[in-house]
Amino acid sequence: GAGVSQSPSNKVTEKGKDVELRCDPISGHTALYWYRQSLGQGLEFLIYFQGNSAPDKSGLPSDRFSAERTGGSVSTLTIQRTQQEDSAVYLCASSATAWFQETQYFGPGTRLLVL
Amino acid sequence: QQQVKQSPQSLIVQKGGISIINCAYENTAFDYFPWYQQFPGKGPALLIAIRPDVSEKKEGRFTISFNKSAKQFSLHIMDSQPGDSATYFCAASAPLTRGSTLGRLYFGRGTQLTVWP
Repeated sequence: GAGVSQSPSNKVTEKGKDVELRCDPISGHTALYWYRQSLGQGLEFLIYFQGNSAPDKSGLPSDRFSAERTGGSVSTLTIQRTQQEDSAVYLCASSATAWFQETQYFGPGTRLLVL
Repeated sequence: QQQVKQSPQSLIVQKGGISIINCAYENTAFDYFPWYQQFPGKGPALLIAIRPDVSEKKEGRFTISFNKSAKQFSLHIMDSQPGDSATYFCAASAPLTRGSTLGRLYFGRGTQLTVWP
C-alpha cells in the first residue's frame, strides 16, 4: 500500500507567519511521530501520537509548536509566528503499534525555510 | 544532550571497501538498536536492527556488531558500492518506563557515506 505522505514537500514563509504541515500515515498505523531534522543535528523528536492522543509532547521546542491528529489518521503540525531557527526538514513517521521495536516508516519530509 | 553518539560525521570509502560507522549510548534502558538509511530528498528507511541479547546480526552486506558491556554498536558495510552512498543514522529505543515515550527513537547525528567508484 501507499507509504507515509507529507505535504507540502517544500514551504517558504516569512518570519512571523504561521505554517501548517500535514502528515498522512500508513493506513491502520496507530502510532505517529513527528521529528525535526536540522543540518548536522540528526533527528530531533517533537511529539508522538497514540491514536488521537499525544501522551508525550516533551519534544516540542516552544509553545509556538502544536500538533493534532484526527480520526486516528491525518496529523497536522502547526508552527505559529515562525522564526528563522525553525527552518528544517520536518519528518513524520508512523508505525503499526507503539511497541518500542516496531518499525517506524518515514515520509519524505517537509522542507521549511523561514526567511 | 545527545543520548546516542555517532561517528564519524562523514566517511569516504573506495568501492569494494568496508564502511564502518560507530555509535555509543549511556542509557542502559535502551533495548533496541536500529539503523536507518537516508538518501537525499527522502525520509529515513530502516536498514537493519539488533537487540542486545545478540552480539551480531547480518543481513546481506550489512552487519551490526553490538557490545553490551561497552554500550557500543557499529554498522559494517562490506563490499561497499556507490549505491550505498547515503546518510546513515543509528538509533535506540527503550520499553515503556517511567518518564519515557513508548516507541520514541533517539537518533545519532548521522554519518554521510560516500563510496567512490
